Amino acid sequence: DQQVKQNSPSLSVQEGRISILNCDYTNSMFDYFLWYKKYPAEGPTFLISISSIKDKNEDGRFTVFLNKSAKHLSLHIVPSQPGDSAVYFCAASGETSGSRLTFGEGTQLTVNP
Amino acid sequence: DSGVTQTPKHLITATGQRVTLRCSPRSGDLSVYWYQQSLDQGLQFLIQYYNGEERAKGNILERFSAQQFPDLHSELNLSSLELGDSALYFCASSVGSPSSAGELFFGEGSRLTVL
Repeated sequence: DQQVKQNSPSLSVQEGRISILNCDYTNSMFDYFLWYKKYPAEGPTFLISISSIKDKNEDGRFTVFLNKSAKHLSLHIVPSQPGDSAVYFCAASGETSGSRLTFGEGTQLTVNP
Repeated sequence: DSGVTQTPKHLITATGQRVTLRCSPRSGDLSVYWYQQSLDQGLQFLIQYYNGEERAKGNILERFSAQQFPDLHSELNLSSLELGDSALYFCASSVGSPSSAGELFFGEGSRLTVL
């Protein structure tokens, strides 16, 4: 049972444009959501998070939007840069899972110069 | 550098063998998590320890076991290895208690290849 899903395995955008990565979840007990970025041969690194009491969180070029009714979140990167090319993982946690995270399958983002 | 150290970085072994993966968490972090990433898949949670005690178990096979030692480092033991066990194994740590949400800090992973 895949509780966190990223339906797009890959996304390609031009430098300077917006990248939008999507994530859906099924477990209504999830109340904290995170995005991680992973470069080849490295571990995932934390990017941005959002609590279920908010619907938007912004950090520089990165904004995460949460739509609780649709059980959907998205990560917007504006403007996209070639260095943003990586695999992006959506993750979630909740009351029943505590601190451990449930991850999506990841989306490979490629930003073309 | 996340501060989480994993060894070895690469490991090649044969079916039926046993290996041990080691993880040192960030200084001060009491929770350690193990995740498995098979080819082109997401990170699957295996097991969590907090201050030496097992706190949560995910889809961890009976052939796998783990422990967290008094100095807080952790080891993941994989035995009777099969071809399908080939994967990246990540260790992560966090400062909070098992019930509190927060970010996890990941090591660079141990790539296991079973031939």
